[in-house]
Amino acid sequence: QKEVEQNSGPLSVPEGAIASLNCTYSDRGSQSFFWYRQYSGKSPELIMFIYSNGDKEDGRFTAQLNKASQYVSLLIRDSQPSDSATYLCAVTSKVGRRALTFGSGTRLQVQP
Amino acid sequence: NAGVTQTPKFQVLKTGQSMTLQCAQDMNHNSMYWYRQDPGMGLRLIYYSASEGTTDKGEVPNGYNVSRLNKREFSLRLESAAPSQTSVYFCASSAVNAYGSYNEQFFGPGTRLTVL
Repeated sequence: QKEVEQNSGPLSVPEGAIASLNCTYSDRGSQSFFWYRQYSGKSPELIMFIYSNGDKEDGRFTAQLNKASQYVSLLIRDSQPSDSATYLCAVTSKVGRRALTFGSGTRLQVQP
Repeated sequence: NAGVTQTPKFQVLKTGQSMTLQCAQDMNHNSMYWYRQDPGMGLRLIYYSASEGTTDKGEVPNGYNVSRLNKREFSLRLESAAPSQTSVYFCASSAVNAYGSYNEQFFGPGTRLTVL
């Protein structure tokens, strides 16, 4: 079992719809959770972080964390073609609490 | 602020050659990291440095060495390159809060390495 699992996609949604990206993790001791966006050929950039159960909203993005079920999700409201990218979920690593373990990412395609 | 910079951007090596990837950050961050990214594999941690003067192995350290030269710079060395090391290499840095567990990481632009 991978430590951080994501559906590779592609997840295809029409422009203006809500995109829902999911991530599960295996280490119950993970404390910090991050969503990164990566455009093709570019480096990852942070979208959101969350470390308490519940929802955290930032503009069109909402991160949801459920530690009991060990999943974290990212909702993108009013999806735009510019949101088309790979979204990487990352959690605090077992190797060292300051390092991160990344999922393999979900590719999102927003259709105009 | 340049953020995190990496050199070179591209490199082609022959099997057995050595090279050093350079990384520098100007954000006064304590922690620095080296990842590799392969298709379908996500980012995998090679080595990290929690603070100046310390380095630790990550998930995939074999075939690599690192040096934390000072607070700004963290280099990754391939002593004898192998085709399996063909990948995109990212350097990242992060600040650490008083509790040591919050670590938003900022990434450099990456080095695309091909080993023939």
